[in-house]
Amino acid sequence: EDQVTQSPEALRLQEGESSSLNCSYTVSGLRGLFWYRQDPGKGPEFLFTLYSAGEEKEKERLKATLTKKESFLHITAPKPEDSATYLCAVQSLSTSYGKLTFGQGTILTVHP
Amino acid sequence: SQTIHQWPATLVQPVGSPLSLECTVEGTSNPNLYWYRQAAGRGLQLLFYSVGIGQISSEVPQNLSASRPQDRQFILSSKKLLLSDSGFYLCAWSRLASGNEQFFGPGTRLTVL
Repeated sequence: EDQVTQSPEALRLQEGESSSLNCSYTVSGLRGLFWYRQDPGKGPEFLFTLYSAGEEKEKERLKATLTKKESFLHITAPKPEDSATYLCAVQSLSTSYGKLTFGQGTILTVHP
Repeated sequence: SQTIHQWPATLVQPVGSPLSLECTVEGTSNPNLYWYRQAAGRGLQLLFYSVGIGQISSEVPQNLSASRPQDRQFILSSKKLLLSDSGFYLCAWSRLASGNEQFFGPGTRLTVL
């Protein structure tokens, strides 16, 4: 069974203090790993898709990387508006309809 | 561009009452459609998925059902709500092929009293 574990559960940063969020996964053949951002009371917003180990994607202050067992979401010089819950999900090669298995998320708070 | 709508945004219902949540997608055709529930612990649980009109598959046995009467319309229903049905319900769509990201709607907050 596919599993996704995210750490830490919560992270508090000062504005400008860079850090990383971790997503460890177990899957029977990775088709894709997805990162989402979710603001309170809203639906998740798609950020990145990573398909193979060594791949990297960037968007503004966010950079996602992938290895064979985990993914990192690096946040460089964060701003208060980066505060949100960040969700990681995996899709297995064995799924025929695109099922995503989600982690529990990391709640990021950036203080000014 | 593609847009996904859900309504209502919030709903408070008594135990034993029926439920109907609606999701529609604009700007794409023949999408895969999904219903998720998100409990207070933040994790998303897949409830139903559909790869075409009238084609519904359930991930978790429960008090809910889903239907897809039109290509871009997905409905989540219940005949009698339970307290445990409370949660944040999210609809999502993806392009038909696997390996594509899913795009989520704004969600419906359901409270069963």
